[in-house]
Amino acid sequence: GQQLNQSPQSMFIQEGEDVSMNCTSSSIFNTWLWYKQEPGEGPVLLIALYKAGELTSNGRLTAQFGITRKDSFLNISASIPSDVGIYFCAGRGSETSGSRLTFGEGTQLTVNP
Amino acid sequence: GAVVSQHPSRVICKSGTSVKIECRSLDFQATTMFWYRQFPKQSLMLMATSNEGSKATYEQGVEKDKFLINHASLTLSTLTVTSAHPEDSSFYICSASTGLVQPQHFGDGTRLSIL
Repeated sequence: GQQLNQSPQSMFIQEGEDVSMNCTSSSIFNTWLWYKQEPGEGPVLLIALYKAGELTSNGRLTAQFGITRKDSFLNISASIPSDVGIYFCAGRGSETSGSRLTFGEGTQLTVNP
Repeated sequence: GAVVSQHPSRVICKSGTSVKIECRSLDFQATTMFWYRQFPKQSLMLMATSNEGSKATYEQGVEKDKFLINHASLTLSTLTVTSAHPEDSSFYICSASTGLVQPQHFGDGTRLSIL
């Protein structure tokens, strides 16, 4: 089945630093999604990407859909303490796989004030 | 918009009890709802996909008689964990989508603890 490799697994940074994380796949995805999950809560959608090469921003967050359709990255600029959480990438394959998502293993972000 | 409500948020019950978890899309109609299970410090594991008015599609290894899913309307899906045992203790999360190419929006999860 489809698998996503998400890196890094964890990051410890100082407030104000920029953050970058990425996901790669062995197969092509038609949609890339980035979610943030805080303890005891469900994931919250941050950015959705639908076209290869697409670059989309949401405030201090920027994500890109790789041209090969096998990767995506998420950048967070000028991190703040409330950015703490687990960030998941998720990809959706061809229409034959329905609307199922494949999730990465997550990146645990810790921001030191 | 795209608010998904999940209830209850936490359940503690005795072994052998059946537990029902509700997932509601509050401000949109969800043609498809998904049920996930998440273990501590791990990613989300899809259990099943349910479409309104039809039988759920279960992932390999998920017992359909153990995890009963009902999607009776476009705004409500339920997951019933039947005869729950301690190994069923986990964080269960639902999500809802308006269509095949639309993002999934997640509920806040249900922490299930079986004693």
